[in-house]
Amino acid sequence: SQTIHQWPATLVQPVGSPLSLECTVEGTSNPNLYWYRQAAGRGLQLLFYSVGIGQISSEVPQNLSASRPQDRQFILSSKKLLLSDSGFYLCAWTSRQGESPLHFGNGTRLTVT
Amino acid sequence: KQEVTQIPAALSVPEGENLVLNCSFTDSAIYNLQWFRQDPGKGLTSLLLIQSSQREQTSGRLNASLDKSSGRSTLYIAASQPGDSATYLCAVRHSYGGSQGNLIFGKGTKLSVKP
Repeated sequence: SQTIHQWPATLVQPVGSPLSLECTVEGTSNPNLYWYRQAAGRGLQLLFYSVGIGQISSEVPQNLSASRPQDRQFILSSKKLLLSDSGFYLCAWTSRQGESPLHFGNGTRLTVT
Repeated sequence: KQEVTQIPAALSVPEGENLVLNCSFTDSAIYNLQWFRQDPGKGLTSLLLIQSSQREQTSGRLNASLDKSSGRSTLYIAASQPGDSATYLCAVRHSYGGSQGNLIFGKGTKLSVKP
């Protein structure tokens, strides 16, 4: 069966520090991968999605970036965090074949201080 | 631009009650609709996926319906239990992107089932 791993679960970082969140998927090949952010009262916002290695699409301009160095690995990064980057970050995947639901990881709670 | 609305934002019911959660969307050109459950501090768990050609899907005590022409979906929970307490979100995938299109989420309904 397919599983998605996301880490760390919680993170507290000072303003201006770098960020690296990692997500990996097991049990499937060639998944579509997504990074979402969930802020209180604002719902889920799609940040990046990827349909293959090195292929990244950005939905919202910001100081975050994403990379996909391997087929089942998706990384969210920032060179300098802002206070507004605080939130709950969720990685998700879906199959490219047929009708497939979106599956989420357990999320990373990021607090920028 | 597709917008997804869920009303009410919060709902509290006694245990054993049957209940309906509502989801509406502004653009009826959808590929599919998905219902999720989110427990506090956790990721989202997929509950049901309805394709645009389908009218409903069932899983255990859950039944989701879709009326694409009116832009509405409902999630029916039978014989609610305290363990059903969570936030329920619906999301639509636009037909433009087909199976690869992105999901647009509602803000969710926070359900509390009292013992």
